[in-house]
Amino acid sequence: DTGVSQNPRHKITKRGQNVTFRCDPISEHNRLYWYRQTLGQGPEFLTYFQNEAQLEKSRLLSDRFSAERPKGSFSTLEIQRTEQGDSAMYLCASSYPQPGPSYEQYFGPGTRLTVT
Amino acid sequence: KNEVEQSPQNLTAQEGEFITINCSYSVGISALHWLQQHPGGGIVSLFMLSSGKKKHGRLIATINIQEKHSSLHITASHPRDSAVYICAVRSTGTASKLTFGTGTRLQVTL
Repeated sequence: DTGVSQNPRHKITKRGQNVTFRCDPISEHNRLYWYRQTLGQGPEFLTYFQNEAQLEKSRLLSDRFSAERPKGSFSTLEIQRTEQGDSAMYLCASSYPQPGPSYEQYFGPGTRLTVT
Repeated sequence: KNEVEQSPQNLTAQEGEFITINCSYSVGISALHWLQQHPGGGIVSLFMLSSGKKKHGRLIATINIQEKHSSLHITASHPRDSAVYICAVRSTGTASKLTFGTGTRLQVTL
């Protein structure tokens, strides 16, 4: 098991372009999370999947953002009509239900987006 | 006011010093996580705890549920400990999402 992987690791795009990021969770992890982290801040929750179902979305996730997990394995996060304020690190994490109320999350290396 | 507050925001220490990073939260939680983030972005989970104390090598994490406070201690600090340390909580009643503090940037010098 190689852990959570994300592609690309870096993306530079011009304002107004669309971008898509991919996250491959740890095998058999049925929960997948997307977070966004801006410079000097802690990550902020964007959305969460259990298997292929998107169960929760943050208000941060405007209508320009869409996330999918079609087969309950990898997930994609698309940003349409990018704005400079979208520049951030986009982090993916996965977890597997364990006994008890707590679920350890394993993070990927992140995709750093720069919108020029 | 953020739900999760960390202090200090920045910390510089000399090699060998004992380091304490604090985390206070304002909501009921089911678990608290301490995470380490190195330059470049990758996040590693150090501890997940819901009560008491955990120890791993030179790292110790404690939590006081009644006072809604947790501390991360690093004994005999080393330059390779230099990183951002982030506290995150899972609120009771939420599915799984974490709420993060803004992090403490630690620099350990020789």
